[in-house]
Amino acid sequence: GAGVSQSPRYKVAKRGQDVALRCDPISGHVSLFWYQQALGQGPEFLTYFQNEAQLDKSGLPSDRFFAERPEGSVSTLKIQRTQQEDSAVYLCASSGQDYGYTFGSGTRLTVV
Amino acid sequence: ELKVEQNPLFLSMQEGKNYTIYCNYSTTSDRLYWYRQDPGKSLESLFVLLSNGAVKQEGRLMASLDTKARLSTLHITAAVHDLSATYFCAVDGNTGGFKTIFGAGTRLFVKA
Repeated sequence: GAGVSQSPRYKVAKRGQDVALRCDPISGHVSLFWYQQALGQGPEFLTYFQNEAQLDKSGLPSDRFFAERPEGSVSTLKIQRTQQEDSAVYLCASSGQDYGYTFGSGTRLTVV
Repeated sequence: ELKVEQNPLFLSMQEGKNYTIYCNYSTTSDRLYWYRQDPGKSLESLFVLLSNGAVKQEGRLMASLDTKARLSTLHITAAVHDLSATYFCAVDGNTGGFKTIFGAGTRLFVKA
């Protein structure tokens, strides 16, 4: 597609529920990133993929967070047993041969 | 650990005035980005600066990079209301990882 597509746009989860957030990057983009943005803050790095390889997952806050990109295209960020502190906007970005990133519109997760 | 600091964090200015937003970072890096974010929206790439002394301009915005001082500036000329948004600078870490570290953002409000 023309841009980075994320779904769902909004997600309300009860505490303890598992959620899965989807990112569809720009076709052909090798690099894919996930960021977490709390209200009023800058985005914080979660993880990075180059094709299907997860090369950096140092930003994942706990072992409840898991990301995959099995075919080097669509990526899923899964959060198990959600907690209130997980409430944030989750942004996906992809990058091709140039140095710029294109961000998706994000998924706003609210844990109640 | 790479840290990115922006100032000011909040800026209210009159239309027609000039102002500069500053971005300092703590370790060497070969790439610096400026993004714009409107409320409830994703990040829009404004500039990518790759080398010492780089200067880029788009409309009323001009960005520059001094890698020796580890400083980037975003200069606003003759501000207009449409420039009201949050502006983030971000820096690629140079430690072998793939993180891009964001500043906390500068919330700009241009009064008509």
